[in-house]
Amino acid sequence: QKEVEQNSGPLSVPEGAIASLNCTYSDRGSQSFFWYRQYSGKSPELIMFIYSNGDKEDGRFTAQLNKASQYVSLLIRDSQPSDSATYLCAVNLRGSQGNLIFGKGTKLSVKP
Amino acid sequence: DTAVSQTPKYLVTQMGNDKSIKCEQNLGHDTMYWYKQDSKKFLKIMFSYNNKELIINETVPNRFSPKSPDKAHLNLHINSLELGDSAVYFCASSHRTGGSFYEQYFGPGTRLTVT
Repeated sequence: QKEVEQNSGPLSVPEGAIASLNCTYSDRGSQSFFWYRQYSGKSPELIMFIYSNGDKEDGRFTAQLNKASQYVSLLIRDSQPSDSATYLCAVNLRGSQGNLIFGKGTKLSVKP
Repeated sequence: DTAVSQTPKYLVTQMGNDKSIKCEQNLGHDTMYWYKQDSKKFLKIMFSYNNKELIINETVPNRFSPKSPDKAHLNLHINSLELGDSAVYFCASSHRTGGSFYEQYFGPGTRLTVT
């Protein structure tokens, strides 16, 4: 069964620390990988996407992809209380016909 | 400027009614989507649509139907509403060309409550 898995958390980190969010996916042929942030009562907001193995950095965010291990992660450096949200991993699984398959999300809490 | 917009933001209705949710995008994207987010916050694809094909998630009841008057709009029509249809519905859009799939941008959501 095609699926995307995340630890539901909550993941609690102190302000200024690195938050590490992880995601695994079932299909080795998956092509595109996305991280969305969703605040309570709001819509998912795209924060990172990655298509190739390795790291991709954007400001305080780094996405890491390892297709051999079927693993994608998001690192948030210098975490801020405003980063407290649910982070959704989404994957274009092979055979999903372009549709994103979402994980159930990891709730992150950054404590001041 | 709102990139992906939805109306209404809130919709409260009774079982058995028929309702529609509207979605518009001004990003020039060629593909639009509808997602359902249930009470456990799990986000699940319902439909994707561009001017060439409609892809339906096989788990979606046929009471749900997308309608697209043009490529900037994708409305969701729901017949004979049931209690289990209560959820937040999100519209999204993206480019989708030549077999490549690009990032999707979401609308603000419509919270549907069926009583």
